Amino acid sequence: EIVLTQSPGTLSLSPGERATLSCRASQSVISTYLAWYQQKPGQAPRLLLYGASSRATGIPDRFSGSGSGTDFTLTISGLEPEDFAVYYCQQYGSSPAITFGQGTRLEIK
Amino acid sequence: EVQLVESGGGLAQPGRSLRLSCAASGFTFDDYAMHWVRQAPGKGLEWVSGISWNSNSIGYADSVKGRFTISRDNAKNSLYLQMSSLRAEDMALYYCAKDVTPNYGDRDVFDVWGQGTMVTVSS
Repeated sequence: EIVLTQSPGTLSLSPGERATLSCRASQSVISTYLAWYQQKPGQAPRLLLYGASSRATGIPDRFSGSGSGTDFTLTISGLEPEDFAVYYCQQYGSSPAITFGQGTRLEIK
Repeated sequence: EVQLVESGGGLAQPGRSLRLSCAASGFTFDDYAMHWVRQAPGKGLEWVSGISWNSNSIGYADSVKGRFTISRDNAKNSLYLQMSSLRAEDMALYYCAKDVTPNYGDRDVFDVWGQGTMVTVSS
């Protein structure tokens, strides 16, 4: 099973700043099968990116992803107030063991 | 509107069973694989189980294998999770999630989620 480790655990930034979230895999993720989700309190997760860098439908272009192998990054350029939430990475290249990272909380500084 | 609505959660004693349901609408249900993902209170996301569009391919997390059974009824646009031998660690909010492809194990990305149904395991 691939273990995903996200860092930092909590990131404190101000609106307008750039956020960089990391997701590191315990072994190489096949075919960049890595997705990112956003979850706000009391809500279900929302798909942001898949294939490491492809934005899901309706996701603003301030959200971008990069990486391959074992190191992946979610970047949010110019934080909006609605971006403060918890972010999870997920790998889906080694089914049946689909795994999520433990999450990064992005909070307002 | 694309929608997933879970039901069937509640309080169950350890060792007992519970059956969750997920009603889908707004999309062609039998065109997509479906999954269950859970979230313990204050914790992160954990994939539980997935099933392909035609039920031919099914998978489970090790933590539930042998105790949980996923199934679907395409005629009823519904997904199910039969949970047995429940443990305290199964207590969580259970989400139904739609895959982006028909086949479980292909690209298991979840683009539509329900609001979840809470399962509490306690004596």
